[in-house]
Amino acid sequence: AQSVTQLGSHVSVSEGALVLLRCNYSSSVPPYLFWYVQYPNQGLQLLLKYTTGATLVKGINGFEAEFKKSETSFHLTKPSAHMSDAAEYFCAVSERGYSTLTFGKGTMLLVSP
Amino acid sequence: DTAVSQTPKYLVTQMGNDKSIKCEQNLGHDTMYWYKQDSKKFLKIMFSYNNKELIINETVPNRFSPKSPDKAHLNLHINSLELGDSAVYFCASSRSTDTQYFGPGTRLTVL
Repeated sequence: AQSVTQLGSHVSVSEGALVLLRCNYSSSVPPYLFWYVQYPNQGLQLLLKYTTGATLVKGINGFEAEFKKSETSFHLTKPSAHMSDAAEYFCAVSERGYSTLTFGKGTMLLVSP
Repeated sequence: DTAVSQTPKYLVTQMGNDKSIKCEQNLGHDTMYWYKQDSKKFLKIMFSYNNKELIINETVPNRFSPKSPDKAHLNLHINSLELGDSAVYFCASSRSTDTQYFGPGTRLTVL
């Protein structure tokens, strides 16, 4: 069975500050890892994903995440927050060869001016 | 072009009623899903269909019945609606086990 833990249901940053959203996973087989963003009253949009290869993956809107197998982590970062980044962020895991996504409980990113 | 669309966007109904939510994707994907997002924003898979065949059926009451008339459509029918069914339901699609693309969601409110 797989699981995802997102540390912090809410993260607050100032505009221009570093964004760090934490995600730890549990999987019995090599995982595929994803970050999705959900803006208010909208569906989920893929930010980035890790499948194989380079462990640092870059996504849309300046976000990136690093897969660290030894730490079972896949933290999401952005060097400089923008007001438009305020949204709910979900980390998700799937097992290779299977399509089922297991989501974390989400982290709401709040950006203040 | 809308990739994954759902209708209706909002659905308000009384307990005990039967309702359906429709989902269509124009991405040419072969796998479609239904997820439920509860009031605390937690997302959980309900069903998955591959080429019109059910491949995942999580622990969901049998009042929920998915139907896939073709690879581009996956509808969700709910019988005898209960208060606890109030949630946002998301449809998604993918090419096999590749990235899933989500629809805009249907907010169901049961009164």
